[in-house]
Amino acid sequence: QVQLQESGPGLVKPSQTLSLTCAVSGGSISSGGYSWSWIRQPPGKGLEWIGSIYYSGSTYYKSSLKSRITISLDTSENQFSLKLSSVTAADTAVYYCARTIVRDGYNFDYWGQGTLVTVSS
Amino acid sequence: DIQMTQSPSSLSASVGDRVTIPCRASQNISSYLNWYQHKPGKAPKLLIYAASSLQSGVPSRFSGSGSGTDFTLTISSLQPEDFATYYCQQSYSPFTFGPGTKVDIK
Repeated sequence: QVQLQESGPGLVKPSQTLSLTCAVSGGSISSGGYSWSWIRQPPGKGLEWIGSIYYSGSTYYKSSLKSRITISLDTSENQFSLKLSSVTAADTAVYYCARTIVRDGYNFDYWGQGTLVTVSS
Repeated sequence: DIQMTQSPSSLSASVGDRVTIPCRASQNISSYLNWYQHKPGKAPKLLIYAASSLQSGVPSRFSGSGSGTDFTLTISSLQPEDFATYYCQQSYSPFTFGPGTKVDIK
């Protein structure tokens, strides 16, 4: 059973960089056929995909966030990370990590429980 | 970008009801459409992928249909644990979620 767990600061100051890590257990992030994604949900709003990274290290990001986002893999620790720079209050959200499976398209089949990040001074 | 719409944003239903939740894409996405169930404080759960394929472990009362731009999630007999928000998501290019439909108790 694959499990994902997000970790990182719950409070980030405006203009600083949000950094989160997703630890994966029950499977290797280097396995082919998967990518690893970050999805967020601002308070009272719906889900928003923000970016993904393939097992090969190739990345693809939401176009409106491309200039601020970096997703990376750490295969030695079996985890992947999100960095979002120059944050504002609009980046306040519950951040989820998820496994993306290539199966008749792409779908998010395993998710972490989510972590709330608040952007405030 | 491909936009996804879900209307209504909420609906009220009773246990045992047949519930249908529509989703529309702004352009043809073939069958690259997935459905998720989300409860407060929990991780979203994949129900249906590729428009009509049931995710392993998901009860058979859930089903999906549609292709192109119009899709539907159906719950054949609503159970107490089904009260939640349901999101559609396209994976044609690249990924977009709909705004969600909240199913609550009538």
